[in-house]
Amino acid sequence: GIQVEQSPPDLILQEGANSTLRCNFSDSVNNLQWFHQNPWGQLINLFYIPSGTKQNGRLSATTVATERYSLLYISSSQTTDSGVYFCAVYYGRRFGAGTRLTVKP
Amino acid sequence: DTAVSQTPKYLVTQMGNDKSIKCEQNLGHDTMYWYKQDSKKFLKIMFSYNNKELIINETVPNRFSPKSPDKAHLNLHINSLELGDSAVYFCASSTRDEQYFGPGTRLTVT
Repeated sequence: GIQVEQSPPDLILQEGANSTLRCNFSDSVNNLQWFHQNPWGQLINLFYIPSGTKQNGRLSATTVATERYSLLYISSSQTTDSGVYFCAVYYGRRFGAGTRLTVKP
Repeated sequence: DTAVSQTPKYLVTQMGNDKSIKCEQNLGHDTMYWYKQDSKKFLKIMFSYNNKELIINETVPNRFSPKSPDKAHLNLHINSLELGDSAVYFCASSTRDEQYFGPGTRLTVT
């Protein structure tokens, strides 16, 4: 089945820093989502982005489907950005293992 | 109004018991899911229903039985609970492309 790999597994930032999270997938996909799981466990839908680029405030995402990767950019990070970021493909059938982000004040 | 809700939020029970988790969505979506998140935060799909019909069943022990009385509800019944069933169980619903998750149910089997 399709493999989904996220990197880095852990990331520690100082508040105000920028970061890039990566999601690689082993097969072509027509469905890709990014989620944020906050420290209280809630899973929040960030982006549906099978291709192209989208922006929402300080967050943006880019998927290059032909090269089988997606990137999530977080600019001017805040402590509330802490948590685990997941990418998921194939209509939620496969999730990556996540990137755990810690933003320090 | 909560879009996807689950009850209970916490469930502590002993091995061998039978328990159910309920899920409801008020988003008008046709598709609903159950996921299991283990202690390492890995999310794995268990089941998916579309308009009350089972469409995904991912090698889940048959002690787990989903039931969808209507397209707004998807309940999960677990028989003969085992220690390894301890996890957080998430319900979700979706449009064709995007999923929306419930708050999760933390199940602890002792």
